[in-house]
Amino acid sequence: EVQLVESGGDLIQPGGSLRLSCAASGFTVSSDNMTWVRQAPGKGLEWVSLIYIGGNTNYADSVKGRFTIFRDNSKNTLYLQMNSLRAEDTAIYYCAREGVAGSLEYWGQGTLVTVSS
Amino acid sequence: QLVLTQPPSASASLGASVILTCTLSSGHSSYLIAWHQQRPEKGPRYLMKLNNDGSHTKGDGIPDRFSGSRYGAERYLTISSLQSEDEADYYCQTWDAGIRVFGGGTKLTVL
Repeated sequence: EVQLVESGGDLIQPGGSLRLSCAASGFTVSSDNMTWVRQAPGKGLEWVSLIYIGGNTNYADSVKGRFTIFRDNSKNTLYLQMNSLRAEDTAIYYCAREGVAGSLEYWGQGTLVTVSS
Repeated sequence: QLVLTQPPSASASLGASVILTCTLSSGHSSYLIAWHQQRPEKGPRYLMKLNNDGSHTKGDGIPDRFSGSRYGAERYLTISSLQSEDEADYYCQTWDAGIRVFGGGTKLTVL
């Protein structure tokens, strides 16, 4: 059974850093494209970042230069390193496993990041 | 620019059917999309991907009441025999090289 479990969300001050984790089971994170998606309070879903099977990465313009997606194959875990956090980064962050194309076919339960002084 | 447009709300009665719509931006009418459901206070759940031949590939355990279709730049999610548990936000999602895009979501109310 495929499972994704996010962790690492916290209350953090503006300008601070945080690392989110997404522990995978039932498949290997290096075998599929993996994505981070966020949802601000009361808002819709927003794509954040993508890591391809081959290791290439892409980011939404809103986080480019501040966030880094990477994976640890030995731990079968996906990460999102978030630096220079802003109030507008406050959201629930979800990791997702992509299907053959770009559809997000498995989701985690999310972890809450609150950026506030 | 690749954009998905969804009406913000829809409603239908218990036991009835409803069709939710997602519109692809100009020049992107051939793109594939996926549908996701998000119940209140829950994470998103993958429902299905609409394939180019009009078929759909469903996620694990998605009932037959959920089906998808397409016409031109429009993509549809039909839910039949509505149940109270179908009250949720529904998002369409597409993709291109290096990006993933979501529609704004439709809040479905089951009356």
